[in-house]
Amino acid sequence: AQTVTQSQPEMSVQEAETVTLSCTYDTSESDYYLFWYKQPPSRQMILVIRQEAYKQQNATENRFSVNFQKAAKSFSLKISDSQLGDAAMYFCAYRRGAQKLVFGQGTRLTINP
Amino acid sequence: DARVTQTPRDKVTEMGQEVTMRCQPILGHNTVFWYRQTMMQGLELLAYFRNRAPLDDSGMPKDRFSAEMPDATLATLKIQPSEPRDSAVYFCASGNGDSLMDGYTFGSGTRLTVV
Repeated sequence: AQTVTQSQPEMSVQEAETVTLSCTYDTSESDYYLFWYKQPPSRQMILVIRQEAYKQQNATENRFSVNFQKAAKSFSLKISDSQLGDAAMYFCAYRRGAQKLVFGQGTRLTINP
Repeated sequence: DARVTQTPRDKVTEMGQEVTMRCQPILGHNTVFWYRQTMMQGLELLAYFRNRAPLDDSGMPKDRFSAEMPDATLATLKIQPSEPRDSAVYFCASGNGDSLMDGYTFGSGTRLTVV
């Protein structure tokens, strides 16, 4: 079974600085999708960024980018120019095809003003 | 923006009572998921449907939980009888199984407290 591991239960960063959240996963598949979701205190799950495993180019969405290392099964999220509104729980998730999302345990990100 | 609508947003009930949570998926989405979030277990899949047919409900305690899609605009999750250990946030999510790159869209969740 696929598993997703987020080894950092909590992270903090100064406003305007850069922070990287780690995620590793275990799968025997070669074709799959990876996602980062953000969950602010409102508890809404918000899709931040997505990556297709067959694409070598790392995905980027404004201040959010990923470092996808397929051989190492690593999928980290980098947030540049951190803002107070970035404070949230961040979940890494794996999906094969149109199947279920498998989530990591989450990383709570605090932004210090 | 299209959204997944879940009701109720919060529910407090007494142990032993029946609880029904409802979800309206995004129009046109053919895949619907129910997830449960707790501090201890994180986000766990309970069940999911494609084109209203159940595909996987292995994560759901069968003795007390049931999930259905009476039509394409409504998914329900029922707990009978409820127990304190069922206290959690229950999320519904929907997606288009034919558009693999799209992420799934989540509702705002139902926070269930069983006392």
